[in-house]
Amino acid sequence: QSVLTQPPSVSAAPGQKVTVSCSGSSSNIGNNFVSWYLHLPGTAPKLLIYDNNKRPSGIPDRFSGSKSGTSATLGITGLQTGDEADYYCGTWDSSLSAWVFGGGTKLTVL
Amino acid sequence: EVQLVESGGGVVRPGGSLRLSCAAFGFTFDDYGMSWVRHAPGKGLEWVSGINWSGRSTEYGDSVKGRFTISRDNAKNSLYLQMNSLRVEDTALYYCARQGGTSATLGWFDPWGQGTLVTVSS
Repeated sequence: QSVLTQPPSVSAAPGQKVTVSCSGSSSNIGNNFVSWYLHLPGTAPKLLIYDNNKRPSGIPDRFSGSKSGTSATLGITGLQTGDEADYYCGTWDSSLSAWVFGGGTKLTVL
Repeated sequence: EVQLVESGGGVVRPGGSLRLSCAAFGFTFDDYGMSWVRHAPGKGLEWVSGINWSGRSTEYGDSVKGRFTISRDNAKNSLYLQMNSLRVEDTALYYCARQGGTSATLGWFDPWGQGTLVTVSS
């Protein structure tokens, strides 16, 4: 059972938009920055969003992040088959004194 | 190019020990905190341990506290994870990752290495 709650899977057609939610509490998302990662099992995870809504250099603006209270959301527009992967949210939990990740959301582009 | 390269993984019996290493290239190593994150088969990402830029501050996940020790050698641009009393449930691909700042508790993880596989089996 992960400290941060994500839907196990989301799906949408190519070209469409999808959102991935990440729900936490005041000890993690509510008082700390959220980051998002793309992961293909067996390969290096990739940072997509940091500090809730900032994109690193090289990440297209199809990817966006937002945070409200104790929840965060990753948005992906103009879906491509190459976007199929597992997506994770992560943040520091001040009560646990530990980094925590969501359980991961598998994106399928139909 | 900023790069992290892990090594040291392998097959070990329950109760055994293993030491992972992570070599850093292309950036000023002692400007950043570092962490180890693992991915077990069929499960999600799990943060294992983090260390600040100087090595004087460390943090551990509950599942490894008291068994694993994180350390770094800034002169060698290297991060380490000493894993003792290994359990079957420690089987995973272990990644090292650079934090977004000097602390192990703030920021984000970028980049990540390709990982080194640890298998604990009798």
